[in-house]
Amino acid sequence: DAKTTQPTSMDCAEGRAANLPCNHSTISGNEYVYWYRQIHSQGPQYIIHGLKNNETNEMASLIITEDRKSSTLILPHATLRDTAVYYCIAYASNFGNEKLTFGTGTRLTIIP
Amino acid sequence: GAVVSQHPSWVICKSGTSVKIECRSLDFQATTMFWYRQFPKQSLMLMATSNEGSKATYEQGVEKDKFLINHASLTLSTLTVTSAHPEDSSFYICSARDPSLSGEQYFGPGTRLTVT
Repeated sequence: DAKTTQPTSMDCAEGRAANLPCNHSTISGNEYVYWYRQIHSQGPQYIIHGLKNNETNEMASLIITEDRKSSTLILPHATLRDTAVYYCIAYASNFGNEKLTFGTGTRLTIIP
Repeated sequence: GAVVSQHPSWVICKSGTSVKIECRSLDFQATTMFWYRQFPKQSLMLMATSNEGSKATYEQGVEKDKFLINHASLTLSTLTVTSAHPEDSSFYICSARDPSLSGEQYFGPGTRLTVT
């Protein structure tokens, strides 16, 4: 899996959009960008994934640059329950390598 | 999304004893499950990949005779920590991949193991 780089921590005011960046400059053509988050003392929660097109679901939006070397996860209206560690992972899920490799992630704190 | 459960959610055991942790996929069949370990303030580390009906594949540095994995059915994988020691105290998390979906893995809530 390609290595990803994320800021160690970020703060965001409650109600504002939280934009979490991720660099994956060595991503391969068959690797998707996956985002998970982990709330304290819980298992990781799947958020969203994409290959090259922008994606949106009920939780978040994922913006992937045209060269696929970076992406941004957007939580449109952050709430206190969004405080968690967010992991960006480049992952080739359909080519025999099914291991998710977690980096250190971004610790997002939502401030009241 | 798909639901994965773990049991127990926490366990305290004495040094030298063995502990079994169960991981179940509740609403889908998982041919592959994964076991992770997470120490305080650290990220998740993959321990092994559990395949239904075959032997588990362990990551480098993980002792297969200490961490026994059994994936006897499409909805159940178990991790047994044998002869546990205080350094085995950790947060153990399993995940399962729903083959009917594009590849995302769904995680259990984790099991907190404390060895005294």
